[in-house]
Amino acid sequence: DVKVTQSSRYLVKRTGEKVFLECVQDMDHENMFWYRQDPGLGLRLIYFSYDVKMKEKGDIPEGYSVSREKKERFSLILESASTNQTSMYLCASSSGGQNNSPLHFGNGTRLTVT
Amino acid sequence: DAKTTQPTSMDCAEGRAANLPCNHSTISGNEYVYWYRQIHSQGPQYIIHGLKNNETNEMASLIITEDRKSSTLILPHATLRDTAVYYCILRGTGFQKLVFGTGTRLLVSP
Repeated sequence: DVKVTQSSRYLVKRTGEKVFLECVQDMDHENMFWYRQDPGLGLRLIYFSYDVKMKEKGDIPEGYSVSREKKERFSLILESASTNQTSMYLCASSSGGQNNSPLHFGNGTRLTVT
Repeated sequence: DAKTTQPTSMDCAEGRAANLPCNHSTISGNEYVYWYRQIHSQGPQYIIHGLKNNETNEMASLIITEDRKSSTLILPHATLRDTAVYYCILRGTGFQKLVFGTGTRLLVSP
C-alpha cells in the first residue's frame, strides 16, 4: 500500500514564525502535492511538484513556498506564519507517466497560528 | 475546471447498498471521474475512478451513464465505518490536478 507520511498531526506556531511541514512518500512517486482544507472551502491546491527540484504554483500559493530536494520528500514552508494560515494541510502523491493514476493522501497536519 | 454536483447529505442503513449520485454535465471527453472519501480527522482516501466504462474494485462500484453526464458510486453493503464525506471529482488537465467540491456526507446507521 502507498504510504504518505506527514511529520506532525498537530502544530501550534506563533505569528511571524517560519514553519516547515514535511511530507514523505514511500512509493517512488514522481508527483507530490500540498493542499489546505478549510470548512466551507473544501480542498485547495497550494503547490505541486512533478519531479525533484521542480515545482508549480497551485490555486493559492501566496504566503507559501515548497522544496523538493529528494524524490520522496516534499516540504511546505510558511516563511512568516499568519493567523489566516491556520488550517488542515494535506500532502498527496501520485505516480507520473499515467495521466489517470490516483492521488494518495497523508492524514494531514492541523496547523494553528496564534 | 469542470464541476460536479452532489447532494449535501444522505442516509443509509447498515448492510444496505449506498448509492451516491454525482452530476457532471460539463465533463470533457478526456476527463476521468474520481471518487474519494474522507473520514473525520483523516486525509482523503481514494476509492475508484473511471472514464466511460463501469468499474468495480474491492471497495465499490462506479456506474457512469452513457453520455457521461452523471455517475453513481455504489457501496454494496454499507457498514458504520463507511460514514464519511464522499467526493466526486473530475480530473483536471495538466499535472493531475484534482478539484474537490463539498461532497456528500453519508451517514450509515445501525
